[in-house]
Amino acid sequence: GQNIDQPTEMTATEGAIVQINCTYQTSGFNGLFWYQQHAGEAPTFLSYNVLDGLEEKGRFSSFLSRSKGYSYLLLKELQMKDSASYLCAVMDSNYQLIWGAGTKLIIKP
Amino acid sequence: ETGVTQTPRHLVMGMTNKKSLKCEQHLGHNAMYWYKQSAKKPLELMFVYSLEERVENNSVPSRFSPECPNSSHLFLHLHTLQPEDSALYLCASSQDPSLEGGELFFGEGSRLTVL
Repeated sequence: GQNIDQPTEMTATEGAIVQINCTYQTSGFNGLFWYQQHAGEAPTFLSYNVLDGLEEKGRFSSFLSRSKGYSYLLLKELQMKDSASYLCAVMDSNYQLIWGAGTKLIIKP
Repeated sequence: ETGVTQTPRHLVMGMTNKKSLKCEQHLGHNAMYWYKQSAKKPLELMFVYSLEERVENNSVPSRFSPECPNSSHLFLHLHTLQPEDSALYLCASSQDPSLEGGELFFGEGSRLTVL
C-alpha cells in the first residue's frame, strides 16, 4: 500500500530552527508537496520538489531524496505565526496525491 | 484569500436532514475537488471534476452527492448522514487535474457536525 509518515506533533522555540521529516512509500513518484495549514484556515502551498536536493524559499527550505523516499521541511528563525500544521503529500505515478496526516508545530516564546 | 470560497463555514445537521455545501473558485481553474479532513488523519479525496465532468469518485457513500454546474462552482449535497461523517470538508481547485508543476488552491473549509 501507499504510505506517508510524518511526526504527529513537534515543539520548537521562537527564533530557533526546526526540521519536519516526511518519509514515503508510493507507487511511482511525480513530486512532493508541502502545505501549511493554520487552525481553522485553508491549507496553503509552501513548496514542490521533484528533483533531489534543497529548494530554498526565504525562511523555509524543502529537501528531497528520492532514493531514500525522504523529504524534510526546514523552518529557520521561527516566528509565533509559524505555529500551524504542515502537510506532506506525494504525487504517485497516476498523478494521485497521497497525503500524510500532518505535523502540528507548536512554537513557544 | 486563496481565491476559493466555501459556504457555509459551519453546519450542524441531524441525520435525517438534507443540506448542501457550496464552493466557488475565482481563479479560472479547470479542475475542482472535494476533500474530507478528519482530526489526525490524512486528507481523503472524495471527488474530482475536470471541465465539469467527474473524473474521480473514491468509493464515497451515496449519501454524498456532488454537483458541478460550471467550472467555477461545485456543490456537495448531503443526505441522511452519519455521526462519523462529522469532519472538515475542503474544496480545492487547480489549473488541471494532473497537477503537473502546479498546486492545489484550497478553500477554508466547511466544518460539518452530524448529530
